[in-house]
Amino acid sequence: AQSVTQPDIHITVSEGASLELRCNYSYGATPYLFWYVQSPGQGLQLLLKYFSGDTLVQGIKGFEAEFKRSQSSFNLRKPSVHWSDAAEYFCAVGAKGDDKIIFGKGTRLHILP
Amino acid sequence: DGGITQSPKYLFRKEGQNVTLSCEQNLNHDAMYWYRQDPGQGLRLIYYSQIVNDFQKGDIAEGYSVSREKKESFPLTVTSAQKNPTAFYLCASSTGWNVYTFGSGTRLTVV
Repeated sequence: AQSVTQPDIHITVSEGASLELRCNYSYGATPYLFWYVQSPGQGLQLLLKYFSGDTLVQGIKGFEAEFKRSQSSFNLRKPSVHWSDAAEYFCAVGAKGDDKIIFGKGTRLHILP
Repeated sequence: DGGITQSPKYLFRKEGQNVTLSCEQNLNHDAMYWYRQDPGQGLRLIYYSQIVNDFQKGDIAEGYSVSREKKESFPLTVTSAQKNPTAFYLCASSTGWNVYTFGSGTRLTVV
């Protein structure tokens, strides 16, 4: 069955520290992979996407993610977080020809001053 | 600017009442989606539509209905058969590459 797992429900980091949010997927086809961010009471905004090619993808707001096929992972990273990065982050997976994508349950990021 | 507009932002429903959530897009996207979001549950797909006058049930369609009479519009009706409708509802549209654009959501509360 197709699925996306975000193992961490909550993560807390200090402002200025590095960040890594984990995402593992199970998908039969070659996946399209996405990270979205949601501020409280708002919709989701696309941070970055991977379709093919270079396995390290750059996104908006200084985020990057690395696709590791052998580990079925697509972890999100940022070298130095800012207080404005506090939000909920969703990993998602889809594939060419599929009608829809599957979302993980999200990781809520808290930033300590 | 192109985008998705959801209205209203807040909606209150009485027991036994049907309510309709609006979703309009001017992105010229063919596909549109409705999700329900509850704390700790992530996004659960209610209905989706790939083309006008056609739509498919998602994972939690019971108690909901939709229509797709125009490409730009995909309204969601929460019927009285939905016993626990209090949630945050998100509408999205997509190009053919699974890249979704989301609206800002409607928070529905039963009173």
